Amino acid sequence: GQNIDQPTEMTATEGAIVQINCTYQTSGFNGLFWYQQHAGEAPTFLSYNVLDGLEEKGRFSSFLSRSKGYSYLLLKELQMKDSASYLCAVEDSNYQLIWGAGTKLIIKP
Amino acid sequence: IAGITQAPTSQILAAGRRMTLRCTQDMRHNAMYWYRQDLGLGLRLIHYSNTAGTTGKGEVPDGYSVSRANTDDFPLTLASAVPSQTSVYFCASSDRLAGGNEQFFGPGTRLTVL
Repeated sequence: GQNIDQPTEMTATEGAIVQINCTYQTSGFNGLFWYQQHAGEAPTFLSYNVLDGLEEKGRFSSFLSRSKGYSYLLLKELQMKDSASYLCAVEDSNYQLIWGAGTKLIIKP
Repeated sequence: IAGITQAPTSQILAAGRRMTLRCTQDMRHNAMYWYRQDLGLGLRLIHYSNTAGTTGKGEVPDGYSVSRANTDDFPLTLASAVPSQTSVYFCASSDRLAGGNEQFFGPGTRLTVL
């Protein structure tokens, strides 16, 4: 079957760095996405990885290892507004997105 | 309109009633999707449409139907609502023909079936 695993909840301190991991087993792989979702709002796109390695975009970076079925999202210089759920999704061989349940990130002052 | 709109924002519905959730996008995206999001679960695909005039079944299609008469609109219909269909429903679109994989989401419809 297809499976996306990520931690349910994480807590971090304002100004710190946090890494949110995602492991996946899917039928085919056409890329991995990270989305941010604030409570009561729609998911919004953060990053896309299709090749191994690190993609950096401002305070956010995303890493992919296809051989290990593993990705992480790295958030630096955490701000209170980063409190949200972070969703990992893999595009499978049918070009459909398979979604993890999301990681709720709590930022403390 | 800018992006994707959904209507209604929220709805309380008696079991057995018919309900249509509306979704409209103005980005001329070829692909559209309907998801449901339940606490503790990831987004689950209900139905999708890769282009106007075609639709396909996702992971949880039972009890739902869709149509795609044109590029902009993708309504989702619950023929006879049941309490297990209580959820938040998101419509999304992407520009697959241009090689764009990123999906853009509407604001969601919160549906409660009693």
